[in-house]
Amino acid sequence: NAGVTQTPKFRVLKTGQSMTLLCAQDMNHEYMYWYRQDPGMGLRLIHYSVGEGTTAKGEVPDGYNVSRLKKQNFLLGLESAAPSQTSVYFCASSHSGVSYEQYFGPGTRLTVT
Amino acid sequence: KQEVTQIPAALSVPEGENLVLNCSFTDSAIYNLQWFRQDPGKGLTSLLLIQSSQREQTSGRLNASLDKSSGRSTLYIAASQPGDSATYLCAVRGGGSNYKLTFGKGTLLTVNP
Repeated sequence: NAGVTQTPKFRVLKTGQSMTLLCAQDMNHEYMYWYRQDPGMGLRLIHYSVGEGTTAKGEVPDGYNVSRLKKQNFLLGLESAAPSQTSVYFCASSHSGVSYEQYFGPGTRLTVT
Repeated sequence: KQEVTQIPAALSVPEGENLVLNCSFTDSAIYNLQWFRQDPGKGLTSLLLIQSSQREQTSGRLNASLDKSSGRSTLYIAASQPGDSATYLCAVRGGGSNYKLTFGKGTLLTVNP
């Protein structure tokens, strides 16, 4: 049982390049989330999904797109990376139901130059 | 808009000391509150989750309390150890269909041998 995994762990992009971050969970969770963590800003929700085929915007969605084609996977895309997107990205998942306790992946450190 | 504040931002204590970390939130209409631990360069580990109807939760040397009406939670760590050194984050989930977790900026705890 791996929990929540993220690929890749590190990435350096040039401004304007695109990339996709992959999140996978093996806990059969309905809900999945993408956050970014920046010094002095805390964690902020980018997008989330309450089930396969559904996505919704969070607090800071601009410049990002997401897809949830399979229940266990949640992809975060950057179409044209900007230096302001340099951050650590965390994926999380939770059951729907009583607690919605969120379980986090190890993070992806992205630098945009 | 929900805001979560954690005080102090940093805390340094000698090994063996009991300590309290504080978390306050501006909107008392929460569904639950979750305490996390984050080690440097790592993801978040869920420590305790308190539902809005509960007053406290305990796990080993950790005890979290919740006073929803006053918008406050505390995390009590008994007999601190150097291995407890980490950043502790508090997050609240809004009520209804609001799936968003709002995070505080964390308290950096250092336990000195």
